[in-house]
Amino acid sequence: GAVVSQHPSWVICKSGTSVKIECRSLDFQATTMFWYRQFPKQSLMLMATSNEGSKATYEQGVEKDKFLINHASLTLSTLTVTSAHPEDSSFYICSAPYPWTGGNQPQHFGDGTRLSIL
Amino acid sequence: AQSVAQPEDQVNVAEGNPLTVKCTYSVSGNPYLFWYVQYPNRGLQFLLKYITGDNLVKGSYGFEAEFNKSQTSFHLKKPSALVSDSALYFCAVRDGNTDKLIFGTGTRLQVFP
Repeated sequence: GAVVSQHPSWVICKSGTSVKIECRSLDFQATTMFWYRQFPKQSLMLMATSNEGSKATYEQGVEKDKFLINHASLTLSTLTVTSAHPEDSSFYICSAPYPWTGGNQPQHFGDGTRLSIL
Repeated sequence: AQSVAQPEDQVNVAEGNPLTVKCTYSVSGNPYLFWYVQYPNRGLQFLLKYITGDNLVKGSYGFEAEFNKSQTSFHLKKPSALVSDSALYFCAVRDGNTDKLIFGTGTRLQVFP
């Protein structure tokens, strides 16, 4: 079945560091991927829609200069948290809809990245 | 706007007993509904979906869900709970004509031996 791989699974770094998270679709091409943020014991908050070959679409309230998204190929989207601070610590999850879904197929999720900023 | 509500933060059930995790939805047009499960420090795994057709949908790991249009509900069920079913469960609805998913707040299922 379709698999989405997310890397790294865990990052601990100092405040001010920029952190890049990769999301790959392993056996299908994804023109669209989604990035979510999840706080402890809370639901997933959609941050942005990553579009292959064009700019990402950010949800209201998400700082695009803080969370840089690049979708340079049909199998890879990256989220870079720039100059990360402790308040950026969270669980970040990506997902990709299986191609030609028309919205009626499930999205496939990566295993998430736990980001801890000291 | 599309939305889903999961009224219970936590559901506790004894192993072997039936379980129900509740979800209600609000959509304009036909609902595309999904259930996902999340284990600690993992992404979400798809359980089942309702697009059209039979109101009782069967999914992975013995789970099923019943779509009720009149009550705008899509409750997740399992006849006999396992301790390994303990996890966080999310109901979701497709947002309009996009592939975006709108998630409920999640329900933590705790199955006791």
